[in-house]
Amino acid sequence: DTEVTQTPKHLVMGMTNKKSLKCEQHMGHRAMYWYKQKAKKPPELMFVYSYEKLSINESVPSRFSPECPNSSLLNLHLHALQPEDSALYLCASSQGLAGETYEQYFGPGTRLTVT
Amino acid sequence: AQSVAQPEDQVNVAEGNPLTVKCTYSVSGNPYLFWYVQYPNRGLQFLLKYITGDNLVKGSYGFEAEFNKSQTSFHLKKPSALVSDSALYFCAVRDRGWGGATNKLIFGTGTLLAVQP
Repeated sequence: DTEVTQTPKHLVMGMTNKKSLKCEQHMGHRAMYWYKQKAKKPPELMFVYSYEKLSINESVPSRFSPECPNSSLLNLHLHALQPEDSALYLCASSQGLAGETYEQYFGPGTRLTVT
Repeated sequence: AQSVAQPEDQVNVAEGNPLTVKCTYSVSGNPYLFWYVQYPNRGLQFLLKYITGDNLVKGSYGFEAEFNKSQTSFHLKKPSALVSDSALYFCAVRDRGWGGATNKLIFGTGTLLAVQP
């Protein structure tokens, strides 16, 4: 099973709201990622977790707050977002980070609209 | 700095014809290269990767890619295109920064493949 699931599929939120995106994988992968993707553009890496610890933060604004409660789950907490944050948010996972070159498996994404 | 380039924003091909989606790379050392496909309103799906070994890599859905070190290219190919292959295709290279310890991918700008019936 190479499935990464994400909920919700769509989310509309106001600039003062607090919401969370969820991601789950049951492949035993130890690395998980959050990406932001604008229409017809490549994904932009936001965060990387390895063994439930934050490994990379690509200078993402603090209104985005990641959390990795366990090796299967990854959350992205959203607060006080701006309209320009509207995008497709993709979660991905891979077996690991270092030592081998691991392909990443992506979820279907959450389409976020900030009003 | 490492990078990949996809010189074509869009490729049009008739169903049944062979297709090629181009990718060139610029890296120091040996490149680790990937192809992903994205169907409308979906996440990216892994197609294939080149790490080492045979220059012709076979992947999912009948796709293959040829690694050419002298031309620094990693073009995606399929002998006979299907309408269902119409999608956005991304080439990517693994970032060698951090000693390669991040598995971070550097994506190309993407190529939209349109297969006409």
